Amino acid sequence: DGGITQSPKYLFRKEGQNVTLSCEQNLNHDAMYWYRQDPGQGLRLIYYSQIVNDFQKGDIAEGYSVSREKKESFPLTVTSAQKNPTAFYLCASALQGSLDTQYFGPGTRLTVL
Amino acid sequence: KQEVTQIPAALSVPEGENLVLNCSFTDSAIYNLQWFRQDPGKGLTSLLLIQSSQREQTSGRLNASLDKSSGRSTLYIAASQPGDSATYLCAVKGNSGNTGKLIFGQGTTLQVKP
Repeated sequence: DGGITQSPKYLFRKEGQNVTLSCEQNLNHDAMYWYRQDPGQGLRLIYYSQIVNDFQKGDIAEGYSVSREKKESFPLTVTSAQKNPTAFYLCASALQGSLDTQYFGPGTRLTVL
Repeated sequence: KQEVTQIPAALSVPEGENLVLNCSFTDSAIYNLQWFRQDPGKGLTSLLLIQSSQREQTSGRLNASLDKSSGRSTLYIAASQPGDSATYLCAVKGNSGNTGKLIFGQGTTLQVKP
């Protein structure tokens, strides 16, 4: 089956720890995106990548890092520098970034204990 | 800076009613506008996408309209069903650059009562 997978579904982190959220797609899409969703708010863009080995900051990149070593994978690391990391994280991909519909994964809920 | 607003934040209707969800945006220079559905704790599912040159799109019981000049879009749901209960998000894609960046509204949470 083609699609976008995110793992884990739920993630718990102690303060001061870095954690990495996984996003994989087998749709052969060029562009991938990470969004953060907080209760009562819309999605906000963290990072995006339009091609392998290249990525750009979105609106709220501070405290996050990404890599794009493979076309199908775009992992997001939430570092200890992120002051309020508890949120729902959504990954998306598109065939070509500017023109095509974005398809979303099921999300990862991160809770900082 | 583009801002997207959705009103109301929550809506409860009896089954069978027709209803309208509203979305407004501050910058009319958009490439397209998209409506998504989100079930609790899940990802987003694309419902309808309207290009900037289009006025409306229809899919089954859903009809989305776009008025760029006034910065408004509506999502019309006909003959609502309990299965329509979800959060509906609208998002706009700007004309500047080619990042594919979407700007989202806060969403409207819809409850359809049997």
